[in-house]
Amino acid sequence: SYVLTQPPSVSVAPGKTARITCGGNNIGSKSVHWYQQKPGQAPVLVIYYDSDRPSGIPERFSGSNSGNTATLTISRVEAGDEADYYCQVWDSSSDLVVFGGGTKLTVL
Amino acid sequence: QVQLVESGGGLVKPGGSLRLSCAASGFTFSDYYMSWIRQAPGKGLEWVSYISSSGSTIYYADSVKGRFTISRDNAKNSLYLQMNSLRAEDTAVYYCARTTVTRHLDYWGQGTLVTVSS
Repeated sequence: SYVLTQPPSVSVAPGKTARITCGGNNIGSKSVHWYQQKPGQAPVLVIYYDSDRPSGIPERFSGSNSGNTATLTISRVEAGDEADYYCQVWDSSSDLVVFGGGTKLTVL
Repeated sequence: QVQLVESGGGLVKPGGSLRLSCAASGFTFSDYYMSWIRQAPGKGLEWVSYISSSGSTIYYADSVKGRFTISRDNAKNSLYLQMNSLRAEDTAVYYCARTTVTRHLDYWGQGTLVTVSS
């Protein structure tokens, strides 16, 4: 089955740029979606189709996907961005949905 | 506005059964795939199952295949998850989510907690 690998944690100072990676075999050939989950809340979609933002998501959130790595980039990080972030793909060969293990973003 | 409200969670003994429901509103339910996703305490997200808009296409994670059954009633704008032969490792918050044809999850409910314990 398809596996997505995320770093367990990323730390960043306020105002700086955070990059959260999601690794998978030839992930660049798939569409990657990203979710933000704050403590005690349901996940929220922040990026879909690699780099599209749902309405209401700040432009500070962006995404890219190439080769074996997809990246969620959060610019000008704010304290309110502190959360767990999950990448997700649809493995069309098996028709299964796959999540990465999640990355805890800490704002220093 | 899109709203998804899960219900039916609770405490159940190992080997027992539980049926979760998800009431949808604010969109044309019969136009969308729907999914169940779970999250064990302190753990990450785990996809459980999805069902196509008509109910004709269904997939399950290996961890629940043969024990869980997803279904929907488009007339009632409702999604269901019948969970049988429950195990301690099924303990989790269960979320329903609206699912696009490319299987991303654009709206989520608030979740319902299922605890499997003797």
